[in-house]
Amino acid sequence: AQRVTQPEKLLSVFKGAPVELKCNYSYSGSPELFWYVQYSRQRLQLLLRHISRESIKGFTADLNKGETSFHLKKPFAQEEDSAMYYCALNRGSTLGRLYFGRGTQLTVWP
Amino acid sequence: EAEVAQSPRYKITEKSQAVAFWCDPISGHATLYWYRQILGQGPELLVQFQDESVVDDSQLPKDRFSAERLKGVDSTLKIQPAELGDSAMYLCASSRRLAGGYDTQYFGPGTRLTVL
Repeated sequence: AQRVTQPEKLLSVFKGAPVELKCNYSYSGSPELFWYVQYSRQRLQLLLRHISRESIKGFTADLNKGETSFHLKKPFAQEEDSAMYYCALNRGSTLGRLYFGRGTQLTVWP
Repeated sequence: EAEVAQSPRYKITEKSQAVAFWCDPISGHATLYWYRQILGQGPELLVQFQDESVVDDSQLPKDRFSAERLKGVDSTLKIQPAELGDSAMYLCASSRRLAGGYDTQYFGPGTRLTVL
C-alpha cells in the first residue's frame, strides 16, 4: 500500500526565513512525487513534480529514495507563499490517480 | 487559459436526498478524476475515467454513488441517498493521457456539499 505523510499541519515562519515543508512516503515501487498548492480562495494547482527537477517560485524539492522523503524547501520565504501545500504520490503505473497527504498550512509573517 | 469547470459551487441538502455534481474538463483532456476532500484531509480519488470508460472506481461507495461520462467529455457524479458523512468538498480534475503515463492534473474549484 502507499501512504503520504505530512507531519506538520501548521507551519509559521517570518518573511525572509528559510522554510521546509516535510513529506514522507511509503511505497515499494518507483513513485512519482508532486507538490500541489492552494492559495486562499483559489483552486488546487501543481507547484512542482520531481521528474521535472525545476525550481518554481523559488521552491525546490528533491526526491530522497533512501529516506523516502520529498521535502519542499525555499531559502527565503515571502508573504505570498502563505497557502496550503499538499504532497502527492503517483504509483508510476498505468493509472494516474494521486495519493495526497493531509496538507500543511504555511503562514509567512511580515 | 482553459480551466476545469464545476457546478454547483455549493450544495446544501438533507440526508436521504439525491444530489448531483457536474464537471466540464479542459478541452482535449481524455482523463477525468473525481476526488473527495473531507475537512482537514487531502483529496482522495473516487473515480477515474479514460474517455467514457471507468478505469478506477475502487474507492467509490457504489451502493450510493454513481458517476458517468457518457460522451467522454463532461461528467456527472451522483449521490443517492446522501448521508451526513458525505459532507465534503468534491473536486474534479482532468489531464491529458500521454504515451508513458499521465500529464499534470488540473483541478476545478470544487463543489462544497453540506448534508443536514
